[in-house]
Amino acid sequence: SQQGEEDPQALSIQEGENATMNCSYKTSINNLQWYRQNSGRGLVHLILIRSNEREKHSGRLRVTLDTSKKSSSLLITASRAADTASYFCATDSPNFGNEKLTFGTGTRLTIIP
Amino acid sequence: DTGVSQNPRHKITKRGQNVTFRCDPISEHNRLYWYRQTLGQGPEFLTYFQNEAQLEKSRLLSDRFSAERPKGSFSTLEIQRTEQGDSAMYLCASSSPIKFRTGNTIYFGEGSWLTVV
Repeated sequence: SQQGEEDPQALSIQEGENATMNCSYKTSINNLQWYRQNSGRGLVHLILIRSNEREKHSGRLRVTLDTSKKSSSLLITASRAADTASYFCATDSPNFGNEKLTFGTGTRLTIIP
Repeated sequence: DTGVSQNPRHKITKRGQNVTFRCDPISEHNRLYWYRQTLGQGPEFLTYFQNEAQLEKSRLLSDRFSAERPKGSFSTLEIQRTEQGDSAMYLCASSSPIKFRTGNTIYFGEGSWLTVV
């Protein structure tokens, strides 16, 4: 079963604009990670945020985590055509370390040149 | 760093046939994972190994599925008597040992697409 739900399911924006995706999850977590997947390809790790962190940056990416609301957001600034992909959040359980990641259903992002 | 390698990348098989996928993890990674992903969904956990020991299996892994990692290096995932519902992408991933409550990145391969006709 899917732990997380990404919102929106699909997002189309103009190149150069910022894209924000949200993820909600159901149970306590150790860490939350965001992955990108180009069509028909494997997943590429983007960023990891620990449960005791509230915000993290990596290049054009900004991730926030609100454990009280069991939600996270991924912001991609100054979007580029190459950012077109599906984005997934993934959580692990305190009971399992990160042996098992539980993924959301993903947000499909389209950047219009 | 050669990354996680999976083969074959694509497999079309007739219903009832057996198929096997191979995964070569990143060489220094002792943990190896198998996930399954269907169209429009996120990956779902199937099983994972630490070295050669299979430590957890999902309920998704029916008795037609078997995974092995005989020498703690590469792994195989075999599906016997394939059904149309097995059509999916099978993703392999690997990671280094983790410490309690510190995150560790899991690296995915490009996946193996299975189509059962």
